[in-house]
Amino acid sequence: KNEVEQSPQNLTAQEGEFITINCSYSVGISALHWLQQHPGGGIVSLFMLSSGKKKHGRLIATINIQEKHSSLHITASHPRDSAVYICAVGHSGGGADGLTFGKGTHLIIQP
Amino acid sequence: GAVVSQHPSRVICKSGTSVKIECRSLDFQATTMFWYRQFPKKSLMLMATSNEGSKATYEQGVEKDKFLINHASLTLSTLTVTSAHPEDSSFYICSAWGGASGSAGTDTQYFGPGTRLTVL
Repeated sequence: KNEVEQSPQNLTAQEGEFITINCSYSVGISALHWLQQHPGGGIVSLFMLSSGKKKHGRLIATINIQEKHSSLHITASHPRDSAVYICAVGHSGGGADGLTFGKGTHLIIQP
Repeated sequence: GAVVSQHPSRVICKSGTSVKIECRSLDFQATTMFWYRQFPKKSLMLMATSNEGSKATYEQGVEKDKFLINHASLTLSTLTVTSAHPEDSSFYICSAWGGASGSAGTDTQYFGPGTRLTVL
């Protein structure tokens, strides 16, 4: 069973700061997901990646398959970025696999 | 983008009753739907994988007779918590996958907003 570890567990930063959230996993995967969960519980899929790097707006996700590690970066952070960010991994490829989740990183961006 | 809805968003029931939660893909056909559970301050955990027209595949430790899953169409899956007890109180989330060819546009899972179940 894959172990998914995220760091930090909690992060408070000032508006405008560059944010990095890390995720490591123990067993080789086919895809890694970064998710955002807002208060109230709704989940939004931010990225799914299996290699390299993806960028969407102020969000950047990278993955190093050899090191079994991924990072999520937020540039020019804003209070609306405050949420729980969750790393999840799948094994069968793409979105076809039930996911194993990390415990999440609780991010607070202060004005 | 692809949208997945869940109904109800919140339910409170008495111990011993059954509760049905619906998960719908609104603008794409979902080859596979997943049901997850999240206890307070805990990780999301996969409960079961549901393919349209097939029996659901349950994760170890999840009682299939207690958590009945029906995936009768490519846009609807239901989770019924039978004879609910207080320990079943949790946040239940579904996700839907439109297939590798991307019925939903991209090969990823789309998550519903979740259902918060409280059993008194």
